[in-house]
Amino acid sequence: DTGVSQDPRHKITKRGQNVTFRCDPISEHNRLYWYRQTLGQGPEFLTYFQNEAQLEKSRLLSDRFSAERPKGSFSTLEIQRTEQGDSAMYLCASSRIRDPASNEQFFGPGTRLTVL
Amino acid sequence: AQSVTQLDSHVSVSEGTPVLLRCNYSSSYSPSLFWYVQHPNKGLQLLLKYTSAATLVKGINGFEAEFKKSETSFHLTKPSAHMSDAAEYFCVVSDPNTGKLIFGQGTTLQVKP
Repeated sequence: DTGVSQDPRHKITKRGQNVTFRCDPISEHNRLYWYRQTLGQGPEFLTYFQNEAQLEKSRLLSDRFSAERPKGSFSTLEIQRTEQGDSAMYLCASSRIRDPASNEQFFGPGTRLTVL
Repeated sequence: AQSVTQLDSHVSVSEGTPVLLRCNYSSSYSPSLFWYVQHPNKGLQLLLKYTSAATLVKGINGFEAEFKKSETSFHLTKPSAHMSDAAEYFCVVSDPNTGKLIFGQGTTLQVKP
C-alpha cells in the first residue's frame, strides 16, 4: 500500500506527558500537512511543510507543539506537557506542489490522542 | 480570508431518495472547492473537486456538485441514496498559496432503510 500512513493509530497518555506522532507521506509528494480534528468538528490546519521546510504554523500550534520533517520525507509532531484539551484526532495529509490550490490532499488514517 | 459554511449539521434521508448537502463559501479569490467524506473509523476520502473548469463536477459513488458563483454555493447531490453513503461529509476550500484546506463543520448523513 502506498498511501499516507500514521503511527500510532491510538495513544492514551496522562496529562503532563510528552507524545510524538509520525506520518509517512506518499513518497513523491513534496507537501505534508498536519490537521487536528476534535469531536463533532471539521479538521483544522496546524502546519505544513514543503520538502523539509516548515512554511506556515497556525496560531493553534502553541509552543508546546513542534513538528519536523527531516530530509523532506516522514514528519513527526510532538506535543510536550500534554493537556486534556489536546485530546483529538491528529491527521496528516500529503500532496504534490504542482498547483497548491487544486491539488488533492491524501489523508492518513489519523492518530487519536486521549489525554487523561 | 476564505471560509465555508455547511448549512445543515444533520441530514436524514430514506434509501433510494435524493441527497442534498448544502455548502456556501466565501473567498477573495476564484476558489478551489472540495467535498470530502469520512466514514466512521476511516480516513478522509475525496469525493470531488472544483478548480474553475466545468461548474458541474462529477465525483465518485454517483455524487456530483454544482459551483454557483452568483449564489456562492457548492451543494453536493446524489440522485439515490444508498445505505453505504451514511457518513460525515465536509465541504472544503483551499488556500491558493499554500494549499492548506479550510473545512466546514461537517454534515452527518443518515440513510434510513
